[in-house]
Amino acid sequence: DIQMTQSPSSLSASVGDRVTITCRASQGISNYLAWFQQKPGKAPKSLIYAASSLQSGVPSKFSGSGSGTDFTLTISSLQPEDFATYYCQQYNSYPWTFGQGTKVEIK
Amino acid sequence: EVQLVQSGAEVKKPGESLKISCKGSGYSFTSYWIGWVRQMPGKGLEWMGIIYPGDSDTRYSPSFQGQVTISADKSISTAYLQWSSLKASDTAMYYCARLFHSNYLYFDYWGQGTLVTVSS
Repeated sequence: DIQMTQSPSSLSASVGDRVTITCRASQGISNYLAWFQQKPGKAPKSLIYAASSLQSGVPSKFSGSGSGTDFTLTISSLQPEDFATYYCQQYNSYPWTFGQGTKVEIK
Repeated sequence: EVQLVQSGAEVKKPGESLKISCKGSGYSFTSYWIGWVRQMPGKGLEWMGIIYPGDSDTRYSPSFQGQVTISADKSISTAYLQWSSLKASDTAMYYCARLFHSNYLYFDYWGQGTLVTVSS
């Protein structure tokens, strides 16, 4: 199985900050990587697919990059509604696997 | 508007059977894969498996193969996740999600989740 490791596991940031979350795959997955946002008590929301393509309706303050084994999710200017847990997921090969999550909290 | 509406919360005893559902609307149900994802209390997301309602082609994660059954009834645009004998460790939130397909499959729309509690 491909292991997905996110860092950091949690971070504290202020409104307006630029935030970057890293996701590393245990082997190359090309660009078959997705990012999700999950708020407490809510279903995940799809943000990005193919490492850098925004899902329909997702604001452009979210961006993704990377290929192979190293990927990043960046939020350009953190807003109150962005405080949540973020997950990466590889869909290069079965079984699909998720990172452990990164919790973004208010400083 | 694409919607996935899941069945309501369930409370069951160990050893009981259960089937939860996920009804799709606003798109051609038979043309998109549906996936199931588990989230245990306070934990992360785990991929369980997927089904193509058009022909019921199914793929399972090895972690869930033999533990659950994924099925679909295309006549009513509904996918299912079922257990024949629940365990306390099956207590979790279960999400269904639609998969968009280009070269590969990836999640786009999610259901609201079904909470399953297994307790004696």
